Amino acid sequence: ETGVTQTPRHLVMGMTNKKSLKCEQHLGHNAMYWYKQSAKKPLELMFVYSLEERVENNSVPSRFSPECPNSSHLFLHLHTLQPEDSALYLCASSQEAGPYEQYFGPGTRLTVT
Amino acid sequence: AQKVTQAQTEISVVEKEDVTLDCVYETRDTTYYLFWYKQPPSGELVFLIRRNSFDEQNEISGRYSWNFQKSTSSFNFTITASQVVDSAVYFCALSEIYDMRFGAGTRLTVKP
Repeated sequence: ETGVTQTPRHLVMGMTNKKSLKCEQHLGHNAMYWYKQSAKKPLELMFVYSLEERVENNSVPSRFSPECPNSSHLFLHLHTLQPEDSALYLCASSQEAGPYEQYFGPGTRLTVT
Repeated sequence: AQKVTQAQTEISVVEKEDVTLDCVYETRDTTYYLFWYKQPPSGELVFLIRRNSFDEQNEISGRYSWNFQKSTSSFNFTITASQVVDSAVYFCALSEIYDMRFGAGTRLTVKP
């Protein structure tokens, strides 16, 4: 595998379900990011991790819970989501956290029913 | 507060035409970074360019060129001799420290 991979690519879940999105980067980067891309809003930065520590949390509801066990893996745990949370969730990585070029995964298309 | 405006929602051109995508930004910081990303139909954003606020030199990379003007807070992107493979959504973004603020994107369609 090369670059940034995300699984699953598509996910349909009910409002009472619990699921997790997984991201893995194979670039040796130290920073990882979660973004939300919905039809009605520009791409929104959700979380930033640097060397497994969260350095940015952009007022994201607590029903989204990130986890970064090591610098290569990033998870987004989902529970009791709302239909408006349906979106494309993109993971990215960069050499360091900050204003550097980011490499994106293909995203997970989430539908909340 | 940071803000990025891409006023052109959609642009359609015929192959071989030149096309310019506009980007206007707002920031109070003197040190910041500007980016352009391309999102093809596959969904994966692809990095195109990064410029810092102290470097106003225009840049050319093949058919792509970028014009950065601090006086008008603009960072425009031009594709020369467009090709069908250039069809995608293009995003301009602004970053100061950790926060990357994206514009709404411009959908470019290049017709054969």
